[in-house]
Amino acid sequence: NAGVTQTPKFQVLKTGQSMTLQCAQDMNHNSMYWYRQDPGMGLRLIYYSASEGTTDKGEVPNGYNVSRLNKREFSLRLESAAPSQTSVYFCASSDSGLAGPYEQYFGPGTRLTVT
Amino acid sequence: AQSVTQLGSHVSVSEGALVLLRCNYSSSVPPYLFWYVQYPNQGLQLLLKYTSAATLVKGINGFEAEFKKSETSFHLTKPSAHMSDAAEYFCAVREEDNFNKFYFGSGTKLNVKP
Repeated sequence: NAGVTQTPKFQVLKTGQSMTLQCAQDMNHNSMYWYRQDPGMGLRLIYYSASEGTTDKGEVPNGYNVSRLNKREFSLRLESAAPSQTSVYFCASSDSGLAGPYEQYFGPGTRLTVT
Repeated sequence: AQSVTQLGSHVSVSEGALVLLRCNYSSSVPPYLFWYVQYPNQGLQLLLKYTSAATLVKGINGFEAEFKKSETSFHLTKPSAHMSDAAEYFCAVREEDNFNKFYFGSGTKLNVKP
């Protein structure tokens, strides 16, 4: 049981390049999330997916796109990277429903630097 | 939208001393609240969560938190700090009407001195 896995662990991009961050979970969770973590700002939600086939914007969606490929996988794409997107990106998953609260399970993170 | 405020971005205690990390939330109804811990270069792990079943919540590693509605607070405590408690701690609240939205505080880095 690997939990939530993310690839890659580290990435350096030049401004304007594109890339996709991959995330997979093996806990059969319905909900998946992408966050970015910046010093002194905690975690901010970029996008989330409440179920396979649905995605919704979070607090800071600009410059990102997501795909919920199936129940296990949720990818985050930067189409044209900017230095402001230098951050640590975390994927998370959770059970969902009003009967909660269901805690989130986090991946190990991807450290992205855009030069 | 909900919000969470963590007072003190850095807290330093001596080994064996009381740990107190502060969290205040904004909500018109009793919310769902969480504390997570992040060790260096790792993801976040759940310490404990408030579900309205009890105001004093016990978590892992000897941590506990008390929900105080009158103060809109959910402070995290541990009676005796260990060196292994050095990490960053985040308080989070779940959105009232969207159970998929969580708001995190800015985090408190705990340093434990020998």
